[in-house]
Amino acid sequence: NAGVTQTPKFQVLKTGQSMTLQCAQDMNHEYMSWYRQDPGMGLRLIHYSVGAGITDQGEVPNGYNVSRSTTEDFPLRLLSAAPSQTSVYFCASSYLSGGNYGYTFGSGTRLTVV
Amino acid sequence: AQTVTQSQPEMSVQEAETVTLSCTYDTSESDYYLFWYKQPPSRQMILVIRQEAYKQQNATENRFSVNFQKAAKSFSLKISDSQLGDAAMYFCAYRSAVAFTGANSKLTFGKGITLSVRP
Repeated sequence: NAGVTQTPKFQVLKTGQSMTLQCAQDMNHEYMSWYRQDPGMGLRLIHYSVGAGITDQGEVPNGYNVSRSTTEDFPLRLLSAAPSQTSVYFCASSYLSGGNYGYTFGSGTRLTVV
Repeated sequence: AQTVTQSQPEMSVQEAETVTLSCTYDTSESDYYLFWYKQPPSRQMILVIRQEAYKQQNATENRFSVNFQKAAKSFSLKISDSQLGDAAMYFCAYRSAVAFTGANSKLTFGKGITLSVRP
């Protein structure tokens, strides 16, 4: 099925470990983004990209890196995990113009940093 | 910068009744899109309904409808004939339509409201 594939669904990390959350979409969307969801905070934008080779920071970028080498993939890297990064992470994609301007979301990753 | 406010953290409705979820937003733009997303316990984000600001007609999708008041910057969601499967967290979100750049393409979310449905 067409959509956004996000892996893993669950992850436990120790403080200081690094990891990469994977995100892939097959809808040829130009725009891809990463959000984190925390209780009472809604979803907050971490990083986004408007195409291969182009990325930019969102509201809460500290401690995260992204890259976009292809249209399809947009991985999120945690460089040195901290307990404050315990959250649910969503990858989402969209057309920059056209379509219904809504986002397609991945199924989310619940990350716990101990 | 745009902001989205959902001031009610929780609401409850009796099965088969109607409930309205409130959302207000702040923007200086005249052209934008508004969305309601549903997040059930499965965590999946599901688009419920969207509204284009330049359209005066309120959007409807089966049992879901919106009351879009552009001047008041209000965008409420009405769920009719509530069902047990409607129990979820609901997020209101805003997206600019002024220019399709990266910065303008982000979705700005409210904090969400948890809806419970009583059998």
